[in-house]
Amino acid sequence: KAGVTQTPRYLIKTRGQQVTLSCSPISGHRSVSWYQQTPGQGLQFLFEYFSETQRNKGNFPGRFSGRQFSNSRSEMNVSTLELGDSALYLCASSRQGSGDGSPLHFGNGTRLTVT
Amino acid sequence: EDQVTQSPEALRLQEGESSSLNCSYTVSGLRGLFWYRQDPGKGPEFLFTLYSAGEEKEKERLKATLTKKESFLHITAPKPEDSATYLCAVQPNSGNTPLVFGKGTRLSVIA
Repeated sequence: KAGVTQTPRYLIKTRGQQVTLSCSPISGHRSVSWYQQTPGQGLQFLFEYFSETQRNKGNFPGRFSGRQFSNSRSEMNVSTLELGDSALYLCASSRQGSGDGSPLHFGNGTRLTVT
Repeated sequence: EDQVTQSPEALRLQEGESSSLNCSYTVSGLRGLFWYRQDPGKGPEFLFTLYSAGEEKEKERLKATLTKKESFLHITAPKPEDSATYLCAVQPNSGNTPLVFGKGTRLSVIA
């Protein structure tokens, strides 16, 4: 069974640009969550999508947005990039998502570097 | 506010030297506590879920236990391949609330 797939693995962008990251969940999983991981802050929750609807949103500025498609694949977008956005962005999927007590399954992330 | 604190931040062990990692949590009702392993350059890999105080789960050299305020990940006779960062996360028992992660314990096992 294929795991969670994230593309691309690495990105280098310049301040002010925008970026789109992609995530394909495990087959049959309807929930996709996004996390930002940095050495200082650990994993910080960005948002969760379930059946194309945003179910939860973390404490990030509006420059961070996402969406989910009918096949459960998800994208997140960061506009007007700042140096502090450099991080590992992780996508995770689960069958029913937050609140049901089942574990998240993570992809290997997209390493974003903003120069 | 839901919080997870892991200690120590880093741990260095000799091969075969058993030890424990701690995860203390403050949450308004616990639906589940999760342990993950993360290798450099990879995403977290799910290890265990614990749901109620007194519960224990085992996998090879790892055993996870849960009390009302904390969880321990016991590593028995570790090997160098157990070197990784171990993450603890809690699922609050309040609606559709996302997982709250600790900052992890970075474990190094020296041959």
